Amino acid sequence: KNQVEQSPQSLIILEGKNCTLQCNYTVSPFSNLRWYKQDTGRGPVSLTIMTFSENTKSNGRYTATLDADTKQSSLHITASQLSDSASYICVVSARGSYIPTFGRGTSLIVHP
Amino acid sequence: KAGVTQTPRYLIKTRGQQVTLSCSPISGHRSVSWYQQTPGQGLQFLFEYFSETQRNKGNFPGRFSGRQFSNSRSEMNVSTLELGDSALYLCASSLSGESNQPQHFGDGTRLSIL
Repeated sequence: KNQVEQSPQSLIILEGKNCTLQCNYTVSPFSNLRWYKQDTGRGPVSLTIMTFSENTKSNGRYTATLDADTKQSSLHITASQLSDSASYICVVSARGSYIPTFGRGTSLIVHP
Repeated sequence: KAGVTQTPRYLIKTRGQQVTLSCSPISGHRSVSWYQQTPGQGLQFLFEYFSETQRNKGNFPGRFSGRQFSNSRSEMNVSTLELGDSALYLCASSLSGESNQPQHFGDGTRLSIL
């Protein structure tokens, strides 16, 4: 069964600090992995997308890594800002499937 | 370029009623997917439409249905509403629904069942 697990479930950090969110998956055959940011009351917005051959992808202060061998991904946020407070969702797609598998997300709160 | 538009943003219904939600995809996108998001279950796939045909369906009861029009706009309908149907319903569009294409989400319809 395809599954995506994210940790931690929630995280509180101070503004300016760095943090790393984790995503483990069992989706097979692997096609791609995406990280989304979802602000409260809004739809998810794509941050990064990585395929099997990519192990790092950056989008501003967001850097995602992928280890396809261990089936793990991480999202690193550098110099956090108050606007980073949101839910971060890891989504993994299988090759040939139109239905992605979603993690339950990590809720990040950045305090001033 | 306009994003994905969902209407209405908020809806309150009572048990037993039915509801229709609307989604207008990004211009040129022909694949539209619907998701239910709840605090306990996260995002769950409902169904996906491409060229007016339902191509994929998630594990939801038959009370949940949808359709897509020739202009790629899509509607989903929920009949005989239950308390557990209270959720954020999200619509996402992509060019053709291939797994390597990014999905663009609307801001959802918040449905509350009393």
